[in-house]
Amino acid sequence: AQKVTQAQTEISVVEKEDVTLDCVYETRDTTYYLFWYKQPPSGELVFLIRRNSFDEQNEISGRYSWNFQKSTSSFNFTITASQVVDSAVYFCALSEARFNKFYFGSGTKLNVKP
Amino acid sequence: DSGVTQTPKHLITATGQRVTLRCSPRSGDLSVYWYQQSLDQGLQFLIQYYNGEERAKGNILERFSAQQFPDLHSELNLSSLELGDSALYFCASSVRVAGGADEQYFGPGTRLTVT
Repeated sequence: AQKVTQAQTEISVVEKEDVTLDCVYETRDTTYYLFWYKQPPSGELVFLIRRNSFDEQNEISGRYSWNFQKSTSSFNFTITASQVVDSAVYFCALSEARFNKFYFGSGTKLNVKP
Repeated sequence: DSGVTQTPKHLITATGQRVTLRCSPRSGDLSVYWYQQSLDQGLQFLIQYYNGEERAKGNILERFSAQQFPDLHSELNLSSLELGDSALYFCASSVRVAGGADEQYFGPGTRLTVT
């Protein structure tokens, strides 16, 4: 079974539209960490955010916001007023404290068109 | 620039051969992680080292091995290469081992092509 599911394989939006990338995770650990990474066309993976399982506060950073809901095991990522530079593959990841292993979702490719 | 360096950037080799990928973590980071990114398997965690010791193992094949040296750089050795090993191999580093709590900083990757 997939530990991290990103059901949206590819999303296309027009610049300035808001877009939400979904992430659903599965774990039996009570202590775990969730991450989002961005992989632009250049290929490198860029860290965006980390959340631990005890902190369900939503977070906003500029045009980016994250909604963590333990009740639905989801950690969704919203980009407000998208820009062409947001075009990338976005990965959600889970780390379980007990096993110290990392699981990445399959990624969502975001295309932002001018 | 994440501060993590990987060499070489590209590697082309034949089936059955052996290659070594090298990674230098960010200054001060003690943990090194290796990942394989292929089109059909996505991003797969291979193995983690912390201060020279293996700490976690993921989907790493027996033909693959890694180590972390006293200066904290790490090498991933891939042997008896098969076509299916063609992929982008990432190294990442973080400060602690800390039960996976730390964000990881990724290197630019090594693209391996097996012909």
